[in-house]
Amino acid sequence: KNEVEQSPQNLTAQEGEFITINCSYSVGISALHWLQQHPGGGIVSLFMLSSGKKKHGRLIATINIQEKHSSLHITASHPRDSAVYICAVQKTSYDKVIFGPGTSLSVIP
Amino acid sequence: EPEVTQTPSHQVTQMGQEVILRCVPISNHLYFYWYRQILGQKVEFLVSFYNNEISEKSEIFDDQFSVERPDGSNFTLKIRSTKLEDSAMYFCASTSTGLILYFGEGSWLTVV
Repeated sequence: KNEVEQSPQNLTAQEGEFITINCSYSVGISALHWLQQHPGGGIVSLFMLSSGKKKHGRLIATINIQEKHSSLHITASHPRDSAVYICAVQKTSYDKVIFGPGTSLSVIP
Repeated sequence: EPEVTQTPSHQVTQMGQEVILRCVPISNHLYFYWYRQILGQKVEFLVSFYNNEISEKSEIFDDQFSVERPDGSNFTLKIRSTKLEDSAMYFCASTSTGLILYFGEGSWLTVV
Protein backbone atom coordinates (compact mmCIF):
# COMPACT_ATOMS: atom_id res chain seq x y z
CA LYS A 1 0.00 0.00 0.00
CA ASN A 2 1.30 3.45 -0.90
CA GLU A 3 2.05 5.62 2.10
CA VAL A 4 0.84 8.75 0.31
CA GLU A 5 -2.21 8.84 -1.92
CA GLN A 6 -3.62 11.70 -3.94
CA SER A 7 -6.88 12.40 -5.70
CA PRO A 8 -7.74 13.09 -8.35
CA GLN A 9 -4.97 11.69 -10.52
CA ASN A 10 -5.83 14.08 -13.33
CA LEU A 11 -7.87 17.26 -13.28
CA THR A 12 -9.01 19.60 -16.02
CA ALA A 13 -10.54 22.92 -15.03
CA GLN A 14 -11.79 26.04 -16.74
CA GLU A 15 -9.91 29.22 -16.02
CA GLY A 16 -11.32 30.88 -12.92
CA GLU A 17 -12.54 27.69 -11.26
CA PHE A 18 -11.79 26.79 -7.64
CA ILE A 19 -9.63 23.68 -7.51
CA THR A 20 -9.09 21.18 -4.71
CA ILE A 21 -6.49 18.42 -4.66
CA ASN A 22 -6.59 15.91 -1.83
CA CYS A 23 -3.85 13.96 -0.11
CA SER A 24 -4.08 11.19 2.45
CA TYR A 25 -1.22 9.46 4.17
CA SER A 26 -0.89 6.43 6.38
CA VAL A 27 2.17 7.15 8.52
CA GLY A 28 2.95 9.45 11.42
CA ILE A 29 4.60 12.60 10.10
CA SER A 30 6.41 15.70 11.25
CA ALA A 31 5.74 17.59 8.01
CA LEU A 32 3.69 17.47 4.85
CA HIS A 33 4.83 19.19 1.69
CA TRP A 34 2.97 20.41 -1.35
CA LEU A 35 5.22 20.64 -4.37
CA GLN A 36 4.73 21.79 -7.93
CA GLN A 37 6.44 20.06 -10.83
CA HIS A 38 6.73 22.08 -14.01
CA PRO A 39 6.33 20.55 -17.46
CA GLY A 40 10.11 20.76 -17.80
CA GLY A 41 10.49 18.57 -14.73
CA GLY A 42 11.78 20.92 -12.02
CA ILE A 43 10.26 20.69 -8.54
CA VAL A 44 9.31 23.76 -6.51
CA SER A 45 8.25 23.67 -2.90
CA LEU A 46 4.90 25.40 -2.35
CA PHE A 47 4.10 24.69 1.29
CA MET A 48 5.44 22.86 4.29
CA LEU A 49 2.74 22.12 6.87
CA SER A 50 2.82 20.55 10.28
CA SER A 51 -0.60 21.77 11.37
CA GLY A 52 -3.46 24.06 10.41
CA LYS A 53 -3.53 26.12 7.27
CA LYS A 54 -1.21 28.20 5.14
CA LYS A 55 -1.96 30.66 2.35
CA HIS A 56 0.24 32.08 -0.35
CA GLY A 57 -1.39 34.18 -3.00
CA ARG A 58 -4.14 32.10 -4.61
CA LEU A 59 -2.93 28.88 -3.01
CA ILE A 60 -4.22 27.53 0.29
CA ALA A 61 -3.05 24.36 1.99
CA THR A 62 -4.69 22.69 4.97
CA ILE A 63 -3.86 19.67 7.03
CA ASN A 64 -5.83 17.56 9.49
CA ILE A 65 -3.31 15.57 11.49
CA GLN A 66 -5.89 13.40 13.23
CA GLU A 67 -7.45 12.33 9.93
CA LYS A 68 -4.09 12.14 8.12
CA HIS A 69 -5.43 14.29 5.32
CA SER A 70 -4.39 17.45 3.53
CA SER A 71 -5.88 19.56 0.78
CA LEU A 72 -4.42 22.05 -1.65
CA HIS A 73 -6.82 24.66 -2.97
CA ILE A 74 -6.27 26.99 -5.89
CA THR A 75 -8.63 29.95 -6.14
CA ALA A 76 -9.33 31.72 -9.45
CA SER A 77 -7.31 29.17 -11.40
CA HIS A 78 -5.25 30.30 -14.37
CA PRO A 79 -3.64 28.41 -17.27
CA ARG A 80 -0.22 29.10 -15.76
CA ASP A 81 -1.28 26.92 -12.79
CA SER A 82 -1.14 23.91 -15.14
CA ALA A 83 1.42 21.55 -13.62
CA VAL A 84 1.72 18.39 -11.56
CA TYR A 85 1.03 18.95 -7.87
CA ILE A 86 2.70 16.52 -5.53
CA CYS A 87 1.95 15.78 -1.89
CA ALA A 88 4.87 14.44 0.08
CA VAL A 89 5.54 13.66 3.73
CA GLN A 90 8.42 13.40 6.14
CA LYS A 91 8.25 11.20 9.21
CA THR A 92 10.85 13.26 11.06
CA SER A 93 13.04 16.28 10.38
CA TYR A 94 15.91 15.55 8.00
CA ASP A 95 14.25 12.26 7.05
CA LYS A 96 13.74 11.33 3.42
CA VAL A 97 10.66 12.70 1.69
CA ILE A 98 8.02 10.14 0.70
CA PHE A 99 6.27 11.32 -2.43
CA GLY A 100 2.73 10.83 -3.58
CA PRO A 101 1.91 10.00 -7.20
CA GLY A 102 1.03 13.58 -8.13
CA THR A 103 -2.06 15.22 -9.58
CA SER A 104 -1.80 16.51 -13.12
CA LEU A 105 -3.73 19.78 -13.42
CA SER A 106 -4.64 21.40 -16.70
CA VAL A 107 -6.38 24.76 -16.63
CA ILE A 108 -8.05 25.66 -19.91
CA PRO A 109 -8.57 29.31 -20.93
CA GLU B 1 16.21 33.26 -3.62
CA PRO B 2 18.89 30.63 -2.98
CA GLU B 3 18.90 27.70 -5.33
CA VAL B 4 20.28 24.24 -5.82
CA THR B 5 21.95 23.84 -9.20
CA GLN B 6 22.42 20.59 -11.09
CA THR B 7 24.52 19.65 -14.09
CA PRO B 8 24.13 18.39 -16.69
CA SER B 9 20.51 19.17 -17.39
CA HIS B 10 20.38 16.28 -19.83
CA GLN B 11 22.80 13.47 -20.60
CA VAL B 12 22.59 10.62 -23.03
CA THR B 13 24.92 7.73 -22.33
CA GLN B 14 25.63 4.27 -23.65
CA MET B 15 24.63 1.33 -21.49
CA GLY B 16 27.56 0.23 -19.34
CA GLN B 17 29.16 3.67 -19.22
CA GLU B 18 29.84 5.57 -16.01
CA VAL B 19 27.85 8.72 -15.34
CA ILE B 20 28.44 11.47 -12.80
CA LEU B 21 25.63 13.85 -11.96
CA ARG B 22 26.64 17.01 -10.15
CA CYS B 23 24.80 19.18 -7.67
CA VAL B 24 25.75 22.40 -5.96
CA PRO B 25 23.62 22.65 -2.82
CA ILE B 26 22.83 25.92 -1.07
CA SER B 27 26.00 27.07 0.63
CA ASN B 28 25.05 26.79 4.33
CA HIS B 29 23.12 23.54 3.95
CA LEU B 30 24.52 20.39 5.50
CA TYR B 31 21.99 17.71 4.52
CA PHE B 32 21.81 16.48 0.97
CA TYR B 33 19.62 14.05 -0.91
CA TRP B 34 19.29 12.39 -4.27
CA TYR B 35 15.92 11.33 -5.65
CA ARG B 36 14.95 9.93 -9.01
CA GLN B 37 11.82 9.91 -11.10
CA ILE B 38 11.34 7.39 -13.86
CA LEU B 39 9.15 8.82 -16.62
CA GLY B 40 5.50 8.58 -15.66
CA GLN B 41 6.22 7.41 -12.12
CA LYS B 42 6.46 9.09 -8.75
CA VAL B 43 9.63 10.51 -7.28
CA GLU B 44 11.65 7.96 -5.28
CA PHE B 45 14.28 8.41 -2.61
CA LEU B 46 17.79 7.22 -3.39
CA VAL B 47 20.14 8.42 -0.67
CA SER B 48 20.68 10.99 2.05
CA PHE B 49 24.08 12.37 3.05
CA TYR B 50 25.33 14.26 6.09
CA ASN B 51 28.73 14.93 7.54
CA ASN B 52 30.44 13.20 4.62
CA GLU B 53 28.57 9.99 5.22
CA ILE B 54 25.50 8.28 3.85
CA SER B 55 22.69 8.65 6.40
CA GLU B 56 20.20 6.41 4.66
CA LYS B 57 19.89 4.69 1.31
CA SER B 58 17.05 2.95 -0.45
CA GLU B 59 17.14 -0.50 -1.98
CA ILE B 60 17.48 1.20 -5.36
CA PHE B 61 20.86 2.56 -4.28
CA ASP B 62 22.89 -0.58 -4.90
CA ASP B 63 26.61 -1.06 -5.44
CA GLN B 64 26.42 0.63 -8.83
CA PHE B 65 25.63 3.94 -7.15
CA SER B 66 27.90 6.13 -5.04
CA VAL B 67 27.81 9.65 -3.68
CA GLU B 68 30.49 11.99 -2.51
CA ARG B 69 31.19 15.59 -1.67
CA PRO B 70 34.64 15.92 -3.20
CA ASP B 71 35.40 19.58 -2.57
CA GLY B 72 32.98 20.89 0.06
CA SER B 73 30.65 22.44 -2.48
CA ASN B 74 29.73 19.86 -5.11
CA PHE B 75 27.64 16.82 -4.23
CA THR B 76 27.87 14.09 -6.85
CA LEU B 77 25.96 10.96 -7.74
CA LYS B 78 27.93 8.38 -9.69
CA ILE B 79 26.42 5.46 -11.52
CA ARG B 80 29.26 3.07 -12.26
CA SER B 81 27.83 1.00 -15.10
CA THR B 82 24.56 2.36 -16.37
CA LYS B 83 21.62 0.17 -17.27
CA LEU B 84 18.60 1.00 -19.42
CA GLU B 85 16.45 1.11 -16.30
CA ASP B 86 18.60 3.92 -14.87
CA SER B 87 16.99 6.27 -17.39
CA ALA B 88 15.21 8.82 -15.23
CA MET B 89 15.22 12.37 -13.94
CA TYR B 90 17.58 12.69 -10.97
CA PHE B 91 16.90 15.40 -8.41
CA CYS B 92 19.27 16.76 -5.83
CA ALA B 93 17.88 18.44 -2.71
CA SER B 94 19.38 20.16 0.29
CA THR B 95 18.21 21.54 3.60
CA SER B 96 19.51 23.25 6.70
CA THR B 97 16.35 23.00 8.82
CA GLY B 98 15.38 19.46 7.89
CA LEU B 99 11.91 20.53 6.84
CA ILE B 100 12.38 23.36 4.35
CA LEU B 101 13.59 21.61 1.23
CA TYR B 102 15.22 23.02 -1.85
CA PHE B 103 15.24 20.94 -5.00
CA GLY B 104 17.39 21.33 -8.06
CA GLU B 105 15.91 21.48 -11.56
CA GLY B 106 16.91 17.88 -12.17
CA SER B 107 19.19 16.01 -14.55
CA TRP B 108 17.59 13.92 -17.25
CA LEU B 109 19.58 10.75 -17.83
CA THR B 110 18.86 8.69 -20.90
CA VAL B 111 20.65 5.37 -21.22
CA VAL B 112 20.68 3.88 -24.71
